[in-house]
Amino acid sequence: NAGVTQTPKFQVLKTGQSMTLQCAQDMNHEYMSWYRQDPGMGLRLIHYSVGAGITDQGEVPNGYNVSRSTTEDFPLRLLSAAPSQTSVYFCASSPTKRGGSYNEQFFGPGTRLTVL
Amino acid sequence: GENVEQHPSTLSVQEGDSAVIKCTYSDSASNYFPWYKQELGKRPQLIIDIRSNVGEKKDQRIAVTLNKTAKHFSLHITETQPEDSAVYFCAASMAAAGNKLTFGGGTRVLVKP
Repeated sequence: NAGVTQTPKFQVLKTGQSMTLQCAQDMNHEYMSWYRQDPGMGLRLIHYSVGAGITDQGEVPNGYNVSRSTTEDFPLRLLSAAPSQTSVYFCASSPTKRGGSYNEQFFGPGTRLTVL
Repeated sequence: GENVEQHPSTLSVQEGDSAVIKCTYSDSASNYFPWYKQELGKRPQLIIDIRSNVGEKKDQRIAVTLNKTAKHFSLHITETQPEDSAVYFCAASMAAAGNKLTFGGGTRVLVKP
């Protein structure tokens, strides 16, 4: 298993450009999420999905869109990039919580995005 | 929503000493508390977790304690080694939120040889 994969690893954008960060997992996990990591602020949830066709907003959703057409893929779209979106982006997946037990979230390697 | 605060933000210890990181959470409904370790330039990885029906959990040199009344939980690393140097994150989740995690701000731990 490749686990959770993310592309690209690095990206530089100009203000106003749009792009899509790719995330895929081959573990048949139902739950997928996107976080951004800024210095001193930990990981903040952008959007998440509990299964194909279902998405919802997290803590910091503004400026980002997501879709979940398949179980495997969960792309994150930046509509019009701004310098405030300079960050490291992590995708994560886990099996859906069943029977009251919580499941570990597995993180991808991250995408380092710089917006000029 | 849930708010998790983590202290200290940086921690320097001598090799062989113990390290303690503390987190507080705001929502009494939270009942799952994982800890993640992130080495420089790498992804976060789960190192230990605790559920609200347990007060303490140990795994070799690491342990986590939970005080539900005070709404705080702590990570303890004993006999620290240079490879323990990393950023550690605590997080909290509640049953109603499914797999959603709220993270603390992180603690950068440096173990000096």
